[in-house]
Amino acid sequence: DAGVTQSPTHLIKTRGQQVTLRCSPISGHKSVSWYQQVLGQGPQFIFQYYEKEERGRGNFPDRFSARQFPNYSSELNVNALLLGDSALYLCASSSQATDTQYFGPGTRLTVL
Amino acid sequence: QKEVEQDPGPLSVPEGAIVSLNCTYSNSAFQYFMWYRQYSRKGPELLMYTYSSGNKEDGRFTAQVDKSSKYISLFIRDSQPSDSATYLCAMSGGGSEKLVFGKGTKLTVNP
Repeated sequence: DAGVTQSPTHLIKTRGQQVTLRCSPISGHKSVSWYQQVLGQGPQFIFQYYEKEERGRGNFPDRFSARQFPNYSSELNVNALLLGDSALYLCASSSQATDTQYFGPGTRLTVL
Repeated sequence: QKEVEQDPGPLSVPEGAIVSLNCTYSNSAFQYFMWYRQYSRKGPELLMYTYSSGNKEDGRFTAQVDKSSKYISLFIRDSQPSDSATYLCAMSGGGSEKLVFGKGTKLTVNP
């Protein structure tokens, strides 16, 4: 079975631009979570969605938004990019909101 | 005080050594404890998952949770060069499904 997939793999943007990252969960998984991992740090929770409803939001500004589609895939949007948004963005899926989370390979975002 | 503390290392050991990795935490509501392995520039891979206190063994890996001390450990026996990676502890609970991670410990196993 395919694991969690994310696209694109790498992305380079300039300050002020907007970016959309995509995630497809493991087949049968209904929950998707997003994390930001800055170099040298552990992942930080951004959002969790379950059955298309937001279940949790981390301590990130309103420039960050997300949604989940009927097929359980998800998008993370970041507006007005700052240099500090450069990071590895990870998507994790689980069958239920409280179950073990399995991570995708991540999207590496560089903001210049 | 951060919710989860983890010594970032780096930790360097010879092949075949027993490796001990540890995390402490402050939130007594945490009930679920995980260890993830992350190779350079890759996503975290789940190694061990434990609920509440106790030990869990899977092959060369043993996870221990001591909720009274708010302390978790991962032991790797007969370490191999392929174990060289960053090891992240993570935990959740208290009505929140979000994972709270430590900073990760970078491990190198030398042949």
